[in-house]
Amino acid sequence: DTAVSQTPKYLVTQMGNDKSIKCEQNLGHDTMYWYKQDSKKFLKIMFSYNNKELIINETVPNRFSPKSPDKAHLNLHINSLELGDSAVYFCASSQPGHDYEQYFGPGTRLTVT
Amino acid sequence: DAKTTQPTSMDCAEGRAANLPCNHSTISGNEYVYWYRQIHSQGPQYIIHGLKNNETNEMASLIITEDRKSSTLILPHATLRDTAVYYCIVRASNNAGNMLTFGGGTRLMVKP
Repeated sequence: DTAVSQTPKYLVTQMGNDKSIKCEQNLGHDTMYWYKQDSKKFLKIMFSYNNKELIINETVPNRFSPKSPDKAHLNLHINSLELGDSAVYFCASSQPGHDYEQYFGPGTRLTVT
Repeated sequence: DAKTTQPTSMDCAEGRAANLPCNHSTISGNEYVYWYRQIHSQGPQYIIHGLKNNETNEMASLIITEDRKSSTLILPHATLRDTAVYYCIVRASNNAGNMLTFGGGTRLMVKP
């Protein structure tokens, strides 16, 4: 059974478009995250979210916005895509009291042309 | 969060112990040491964490020096499937948002 899943696995789109990446976790976790891994393989936190608060990494452009329809889902919306947004995006989740152990999804490779 | 320093890459023979060092000389008293790994084309995977005592689980052992300025992750019997990038992360337990900050990591290559 997949614990943290993401769709799509690959996404190719043109500059200026708006796109979304979906994330679902079936672990019953309360907190979910989005990370970005660039071409140099550096993995950076973008957002941390639970039903109480959203923590945003200050370096993330406001073109990126997480949206959570329910506790099991945290989708990532990206407006006006730019070439520099090309990266692999990972979703993760954790449970209260065990936030050191984050479960990651398989990643979504976004290519902006 | 304290900064960590790891070797860029290491090799290990299959079946031997892999010892991955991490320097965190500016670690604070409330900061834990976490280890994650990322196998090629997969998401990161939690391995182990500790504060000041040595820790062991089914995946690895974590040895933290008495002054807590460095630590070593030990994979006792490395297999080819342990080839991955290993990340040492230092983070306070009350870190806002529970965010992890990944550095460059160590690329471990396990060879037959």
